[in-house]
Amino acid sequence: SQQGEEDPQALSIQEGENATMNCSYKTSINNLQWYRQNSGRGLVHLILIRSNEREKHSGRLRVTLDTSKKSSSLLITASRAADTASYFCATPTGKLIFGQGTTLQVKP
Amino acid sequence: EPEVTQTPSHQVTQMGQEVILRCVPISNHLYFYWYRQILGQKVEFLVSFYNNEISEKSEIFDDQFSVERPDGSNFTLKIRSTKLEDSAMYFCASTFFGDEQYFGPGTRLTVT
Repeated sequence: SQQGEEDPQALSIQEGENATMNCSYKTSINNLQWYRQNSGRGLVHLILIRSNEREKHSGRLRVTLDTSKKSSSLLITASRAADTASYFCATPTGKLIFGQGTTLQVKP
Repeated sequence: EPEVTQTPSHQVTQMGQEVILRCVPISNHLYFYWYRQILGQKVEFLVSFYNNEISEKSEIFDDQFSVERPDGSNFTLKIRSTKLEDSAMYFCASTFFGDEQYFGPGTRLTVT
């Protein structure tokens, strides 16, 4: 499994603004996944994008994938205070390898 | 909606004692995992389990650790002789076909 590296490490925005997080990885993938972790709790799967997809939407989430640049981005639109969490990307082949994640703070 | 459950939510034990952390994965899932997260650090893979055997394990998963699926529903992680550095949140996860993993809420293990 290939580790994803998220960028930025921390992001602070106002409620209603959009939040963009980026992920880079190192080798070829079948799919890339994004997870959210609220402080000290379990991880929640947000969205999976396959290597033959370029963009995917789920509610207020938009994920893009650029396999030529080995990068992905997660956009959260119209953010809410409840979106405050850490966000991780993972490129699994079985196990998941997590980076440090992006810590998002949404201020009310 | 089906979910992964873990018990206990918090376990306090003395150094050198054995602990068993329990997980009930989603019923039709086939792949099972344990991860841990030391406070303030990233989530780390420990072990994966498929078809009643370990499919992969990390360097962390040494001889002090073992996993078992004793009855087709529970999935347990045993630490034989706990150390202070085993203090962490332990997460169980499961998946049907190896794509998105579903995580439990975690067990906080405190070794004193």
